[in-house]
Amino acid sequence: NAGVTQTPKFQVLKTGQSMTLQCAQDMNHEYMSWYRQDPGMGLRLIHYSVGAGITDQGEVPNGYNVSRSTTEDFPLRLLSAAPSQTSVYFCASNAPIAGSPLHFGNGTRLTVT
Amino acid sequence: RKEVEQDPGPFNVPEGATVAFNCTYSNSASQSFFWYRQDCRKEPKLLMSVYSSGNEDGRFTAQLNRASQYISLLIRDSKLSDSATYLCVVNPEGSNYKLTFGKGTLLTVNP
Repeated sequence: NAGVTQTPKFQVLKTGQSMTLQCAQDMNHEYMSWYRQDPGMGLRLIHYSVGAGITDQGEVPNGYNVSRSTTEDFPLRLLSAAPSQTSVYFCASNAPIAGSPLHFGNGTRLTVT
Repeated sequence: RKEVEQDPGPFNVPEGATVAFNCTYSNSASQSFFWYRQDCRKEPKLLMSVYSSGNEDGRFTAQLNRASQYISLLIRDSKLSDSATYLCVVNPEGSNYKLTFGKGTLLTVNP
């Protein structure tokens, strides 16, 4: 049971570099989302998607882009990395059913220098 | 008032103790409530959903008070393995895709 798979697990970027965090789920969940977790801040929603071709902004979307071309994949792109984007990123998915809990990937630890 | 607020903690308790976490939410239209557990440097994992009538799963009991807009988690007979951060999660808009997390409460159970 793969569930939600995120890659890479660790990444170090220099300021201004771009990269894509990959996320894939095999549970046929319609909903997918990206969160970042910072000390003292809890998990904050970056972007989410309610289905293929549909994305929307969460609480902290600036500096990130997403796309959802398939049900399975929901990549997160950092366009021009900044030190403020140093964080732990979690991808999650859940079903469009009331009370359906989130299933998280293992996380990506990103450091921007 | 923040959307979801939790006891700031940290909580340090001896093995066998009973510990309670509280969480308040601001949106009275919130529909779904959860407690997640997060081990150090790991992803959050669902501990239990919280139902209107309250629910129990072994040593864990969750309760919801809609009138006062708070949920609670009670852990009885604490084990060393219960040491983790406990996250209160609320569905504030009635949707199921914009869940809001509390900042978490760190629990350490000591031998």
